[in-house]
Amino acid sequence: ILNVEQSPQSLHVQEGDSTNFTCSFPSSNFYALHWYRWETAKSPEALFVMTLNGDEKKKGRISATLNTKEGYSYLYIKGSQPEDSATYLCAFFEDSNYQLIWGAGTKLIIKP
Amino acid sequence: DAGVTQSPTHLIKTRGQQVTLRCSPISGHKSVSWYQQVLGQGPQFIFQYYEKEERGRGNFPDRFSARQFPNYSSELNVNALLLGDSALYLCASSEPQQGSTDTQYFGPGTRLTVL
Repeated sequence: ILNVEQSPQSLHVQEGDSTNFTCSFPSSNFYALHWYRWETAKSPEALFVMTLNGDEKKKGRISATLNTKEGYSYLYIKGSQPEDSATYLCAFFEDSNYQLIWGAGTKLIIKP
Repeated sequence: DAGVTQSPTHLIKTRGQQVTLRCSPISGHKSVSWYQQVLGQGPQFIFQYYEKEERGRGNFPDRFSARQFPNYSSELNVNALLLGDSALYLCASSEPQQGSTDTQYFGPGTRLTVL
């Protein structure tokens, strides 16, 4: 059974601080890793799709890196703001069933 | 442009009943996926439909079924409801290009409570 793990489960960060969290996934048969942000009372929203080992993606203050050989991705947020409070989910594409396998998410809470 | 829409937003059913959830994709999107999300867990894949054909099925019992219509909207049916079916059901649409890298656009979800 393929498993996607995210850590930590939750994180409290002071406004203005930078933070990062981890997504671990199977290192074999890799096709793509997706990152989504899910704010309370809203729908999950795509952040990045990552495909190549060593990939780095950036969107404003948020960036992500990918290591497919060891099976992990890091998401970084620089200078956290209250609007960054959300659950950040990663999802691994599994091709035999054409599905995304999701981690349980990291819940980020920014303290003013 | 309208995003993905789902109906109803909330639903309360009793054990043994049947339920139908509906999803309308973003205009131009031909693929629809269904997920079940239980508090504290990530979304669990149920089905993906593309061009009205089932392209993928998750590890859910046969009580779960779905279909996609010619206008690409979709229905998820769950028969013989169990208490454990209580969850948020999410629908996502995509404009399939490569499959593995397709961005999914999610609807607001249907909250199903089974009593």
